[in-house]
Amino acid sequence: DTGVSQDPRHKITKRGQNVTFRCDPISEHNRLYWYRQTLGQGPEFLTYFQNEAQLEKSRLLSDRFSAERPKGSFSTLEIQRTEQGDSAMYLCASSVGLDLSTDTQYFGPGTRLTVL
Amino acid sequence: AQSVTQLGSHVSVSEGALVLLRCNYSSSVPPYLFWYVQYPNQGLQLLLKYTTGATLVKGINGFEAEFKKSETSFHLTKPSAHMSDAAEYFCAVNLRSYQLTFGKGTKLSVIP
Repeated sequence: DTGVSQDPRHKITKRGQNVTFRCDPISEHNRLYWYRQTLGQGPEFLTYFQNEAQLEKSRLLSDRFSAERPKGSFSTLEIQRTEQGDSAMYLCASSVGLDLSTDTQYFGPGTRLTVL
Repeated sequence: AQSVTQLGSHVSVSEGALVLLRCNYSSSVPPYLFWYVQYPNQGLQLLLKYTTGATLVKGINGFEAEFKKSETSFHLTKPSAHMSDAAEYFCAVNLRSYQLTFGKGTKLSVIP
């Protein structure tokens, strides 16, 4: 059983550059989530998709952030004009999403972004 | 608004000793409650969750947690710590939505 995968695992970039991360969810999982985790903090919700539809976005998701899930399978998270405050671990999770009471989010290994 | 408080950012126990990690939530209605574990440079793994029914929930690796509505708590316990339990543990809630709200985490160290 293949779990959630994320690519790249690590990304170092210079301030002002654009970066894009990819997440491949578990096969047949309808819902896909993005979270951000900074040092010493728990993950914070950014956004989630039901199939290809983006249903909810956090206030943390500024205009520089955009997420897509074009065919309801993999997702990309792009950050434009990166800032040092964007340095964090970006986590992706997926779930079946049919019944909230039984739903479980499975997390990928994360992409660690460092903005110099 | 819902929030999660984990008391103690760092807990140390001796190998074989009881593990107790505390979690309190703030919510107007009982939320769904979760404990996740994170090993270094890895994603989060679900240990256990409470939605409805029995308030004592058993999870993987010998962990269990008890939902106490009157205390708004969901503390995680394990009778005997192993070296392999050293990791960071996160309590999380959701209030009838798919968005998880996490606590700041508790780093568990196990002393041989």
